[in-house]
Amino acid sequence: NAGVTQTPKFQVLKTGQSMTLQCAQDMNHNSMYWYRQDPGMGLRLIYYSASEGTTDKGEVPNGYNVSRLNKREFSLRLESAAPSQTSVYFCASSEWAQGETQYFGPGTRLLVL
Amino acid sequence: ELKVEQNPLFLSMQEGKNYTIYCNYSTTSDRLYWYRQDPGKSLESLFVLLSNGAVKQEGRLMASLDTKARLSTLHITAAVHDLSATYFCAVDRGGSEKLVFGKGTKLTVNP
Repeated sequence: NAGVTQTPKFQVLKTGQSMTLQCAQDMNHNSMYWYRQDPGMGLRLIYYSASEGTTDKGEVPNGYNVSRLNKREFSLRLESAAPSQTSVYFCASSEWAQGETQYFGPGTRLLVL
Repeated sequence: ELKVEQNPLFLSMQEGKNYTIYCNYSTTSDRLYWYRQDPGKSLESLFVLLSNGAVKQEGRLMASLDTKARLSTLHITAAVHDLSATYFCAVDRGGSEKLVFGKGTKLTVNP
């Protein structure tokens, strides 16, 4: 089992460019999440999906959109990147209803110039 | 609004010593999680605490939860260098899947 995978691992964008971060999990989890991690801030929830076909805002959703493509895949889109979106992005999945932990992917480092 | 505070934020300790990291949160919650993160790496789950009085132990780490005091502790026994990492606690928003993380405690264990 690969667990949670993310692509790309690293990306440099110019201000105003768009991109999509991809996430997939092979643990048959219903719940998936996107977080950003900034120095000294811990992790902050951007969006999450409790099940296929549903999404909900987290703590810092502005400037992002998400798509739960199917049970395995949950993508995060930046429509018009800004320097404030420079961060490390983590995807996670869990079977929250069973009281499970969240399993995290390896992360995507994004630099917006 | 749920706030999660960890203390201390930085901890430097000697091998063989004991210490405790504290995680306080501001509103009622049913679940508390502890994670470890090595530099440049992802988060690794350590413990999930689901009820008042829950205690879990793995090796030199022991976590406990007091929901009445809104406090969790991560106790380190006889620290070794391999425990050097950043430790995060996270709390759910009262039945929601929305986790709020503390800012992390950076632990350095010196020989």
